[in-house]
Amino acid sequence: QVQLQESGPGLVKPSETLSLSCAVSDYSINSNYYWAWIRQPPGKGLEWIGSIYHSGSAYYNPSLNSRLTMSVDTSKNQFSLNLTSVTAADTAVYYCARERFMSGLNYFENWGQGTLVTVPS
Amino acid sequence: EIVLTQSPGTLSLSPGERATLSCRASQSVRSSYLAWYQQKPGQAPRLLIYGTSSRATDIPDRFSGSGSGTDFTLTISRLEPEDFAVYYCQQYGTSPRYTFGQGTKLEIK
Repeated sequence: QVQLQESGPGLVKPSETLSLSCAVSDYSINSNYYWAWIRQPPGKGLEWIGSIYHSGSAYYNPSLNSRLTMSVDTSKNQFSLNLTSVTAADTAVYYCARERFMSGLNYFENWGQGTLVTVPS
Repeated sequence: EIVLTQSPGTLSLSPGERATLSCRASQSVRSSYLAWYQQKPGQAPRLLIYGTSSRATDIPDRFSGSGSGTDFTLTISRLEPEDFAVYYCQQYGTSPRYTFGQGTKLEIK
């Protein structure tokens, strides 16, 4: 069973860059899945951030596109998120997930436990 | 952008009762692109249903999904104590690729 584990700072200052990594265990990131980030502000709903394939091909939420970069490190079996110029509105639990996209089906099959990132106002 | 609206916002029921949760889309959604998740406090969401009606691995058969076009439903036939949680629908489409509903909280009456 695939395992995903987010890591990164829990506190980021306004205007700085939020950087998170997701380590994938018991499954190769070089498989036919996308790898995604999803966030959830405290007490609110879910927002898809972006998805990346092991080749580096990525697609982002247009609302974050200008500040977002995702990357993959196949040697470490992990993928990462960089979000620049953060504000308090970026405070959320950030989840990484394995995204199925084959056979006309698209959904998030497995999720990490999530990591809370706080940007003070 | 396809907006998903879930109703009701909160549903109060007792164990053993039947729960019906609605997800309405602002535009037609291909059935294979509609999924449902369950989230308990302090936990990550868990995939319940994909492709409108297919249960994910290890999901009990009391959970079922149905619908088409703009109207989709998650039904829990007989509520167990562990089913009280927040439920989200999700669709895959055009920009942004994925959107979620705002959630329905299923609480114990």
